[in-house]
Parts: sequence; structure tokens; C-alpha cells
Amino acid sequence: ETGVTQSPTHLIKTRGQQVTLRCSSQSGHNTVSWYQQALGQGPQFIFQYYREEENGRGNFPPRFSGLQFPNYSSELNVNALELDDSALYLCASSPGTGGSTDTQYFGPGTRLTVL
Amino acid sequence: DAKTTQPPSMDCAEGRAANLPCNHSTISGNEYVYWYRQIHSQGPQYIIHGLKNNETNEMASLIITEDRKSSTLILPHATLRDTAVYYCIVSYGPMNSGGYQKVTFGTGTKLQVIP
Repeated sequence: ETGVTQSPTHLIKTRGQQVTLRCSSQSGHNTVSWYQQALGQGPQFIFQYYREEENGRGNFPPRFSGLQFPNYSSELNVNALELDDSALYLCASSPGTGGSTDTQYFGPGTRLTVL
Repeated sequence: DAKTTQPPSMDCAEGRAANLPCNHSTISGNEYVYWYRQIHSQGPQYIIHGLKNNETNEMASLIITEDRKSSTLILPHATLRDTAVYYCIVSYGPMNSGGYQKVTFGTGTKLQVIP
């Protein structure tokens, strides 16, 4: 049981709109990462937040942005939605104790469909 | 980041051991090998990780070759519930608090457990 929750479960938007996805990290975890998973592909790293600051980013344009709050919940915002943004969006939290031994625990994901 | 290579699919008879191979020939000395699995578009589930020694937990065993260029995940007695996509990942993060940990997923191995 991971304890990471995401909302909403499913979402339908139209091209050009903006969307906000939410994640509640596992208790005690101060690091959160967001991933995009297209159908049939592995998750692709979007960015990571540690103590409310972005500390790493994958190959995603600036219209993908995020926030992490003092209670370690977080948001993923996507502006100017494109059809290719349709995917499962996953957040993962980790204790943030540092180093490559941190294990990431994933939430169930939000399925975004852009029409 | 080190890349991994996995077979796209494997079958295993129920009750038999499932041995899932992974090549990571460019792994560096401070990178760990992680295994996750994803069942039917749920969030990825952590299984096990290791650096250079073999590891075992309640879910699986991880065998890492001496040169660390490949590893094998072993599910000792596969059940139908083990049918999933299995991801082998090498993960890097600096050894300081809040270190950036970028996790790069490949396309994984789809394991089908057959009754």
C-alpha cells in the first residue's frame, strides 16, 4: 500500500485548454516526481520537486509546470493542451533522504484525454 | 543515465519460477538497479533494488552479475496475479539530501503467467 493518491481519476479536455492534476504524497515524503505514460510506453520523467522547489526536469516544454506545497501535496499544470498530451499521468513520492537508494512510490495515475 | 534492455514479452507457467533478464551494460558505479511492475495501467509498484549484491525480499530475488552489466529478477512461484509489465531501471542520484533522482523507464517486459 503506497499511500500516494491522485485526482481526478479520469479527465477529458479539449485542445488548447489548461489542466491541473493533483497528487498527495505518502506521509513523510518530501520529494515528488511526475511522469507521463503514453499508451504502450513506459513512464517518461517530467520533473521532480524537493521541498517546494523543482530540482530536476526531463524533456518536456515549459507549458508543463508544477507546484509542491508545504504539506508535500503537489500539482501538475499543463497549458495549451495538445492531442499528444493524452496519457496516464503518474506522480511518485519518495522520502527524499538523498541518493539513489530512495524508492519512489507511485500513485494510481490520472488518465487525461485531449480531444 | 544508463539505459536498460529487456525482452518485450515472456510467458511463464503458473507455479514455476519466472526469470526476467535485464541488460544495463553502461551502468556506472553509483547507480542502483531497480525493478518495478505495472499491472493493467495502474501505477508502477516497487519490487526490489540492489547495487551489486544479490537481494531477496518477500516478493522476489534480484541477481546482479559481478560486472553489474546485467541482472535477473526472479519470481520464485509465479501466480496469475503476477501478470504485468516489469520494468528494469537504473537510477542515479547524488548522495546528498534532496538529491535529484531521475528515473528512466524503458518499455519493459510483458510477463504473461499461464494457468
